[in-house]
Amino acid sequence: EVQLVESGGGLIQPGGSLRLSCAASGFTFSNYAMSWVRQAPGKGLEWVSTISGAGGNTYYADSVKGRFTVSKDHSKNTLYLQMNSLRAEDTAVYYCAVIITGYWGQGTLVTVSP
Amino acid sequence: AIQMTQSPSSLSASVGDRVTITCRASQDIRKDLSWYQQKPGKAPKLLISAASTLQSGVPSRFSGSGSGTDFTLTISSLHPEDFATYYCLQDYTYPQTFGQGTKVEIK
Repeated sequence: EVQLVESGGGLIQPGGSLRLSCAASGFTFSNYAMSWVRQAPGKGLEWVSTISGAGGNTYYADSVKGRFTVSKDHSKNTLYLQMNSLRAEDTAVYYCAVIITGYWGQGTLVTVSP
Repeated sequence: AIQMTQSPSSLSASVGDRVTITCRASQDIRKDLSWYQQKPGKAPKLLISAASTLQSGVPSRFSGSGSGTDFTLTISSLHPEDFATYYCLQDYTYPQTFGQGTKVEIK
């Protein structure tokens, strides 16, 4: 059974940093690109970032470029999102996903507030 | 970035109705479009990939069509469990972009 379990969300002050994790199981981690998608409260879905299966290629939304970094640890089957210089508009539920297969985690809430 | 314009933003329908949701891309995306269903507090669920490929376990009342810039999600006969918000997603190129969503409500 495929499982994606996010963690690391919480309340953080503007300008702060947070690292999200997504523990993956039930599929061959290195074979699939993985993504982060977020959803602000009451809003639609926004693609944030994708990393290729092997981890050599990364892609970011303009809204997070230069502030967020996506990475994979193949030894731990874990996807990460390092978020720096956080802003109020980064407040959202963050999902990890294997978009091509439709695997999604349950999401983790990040709240950026003084 | 490719813009995805989804319409309508919301609709009211009755059980048994036929429902059509459209997505228009700002440029040709071939058939690189997916449709998702999301219920409150839940992660999105993939319904259709590659514009028209129904995912395993998804009821056959859901169908997708289109290519290039114009795409359609059709629910042939609305069931009570289909009341949700639907999103399209282009995965033709980065940045990937979602439509704004269509909330399907009970009339």
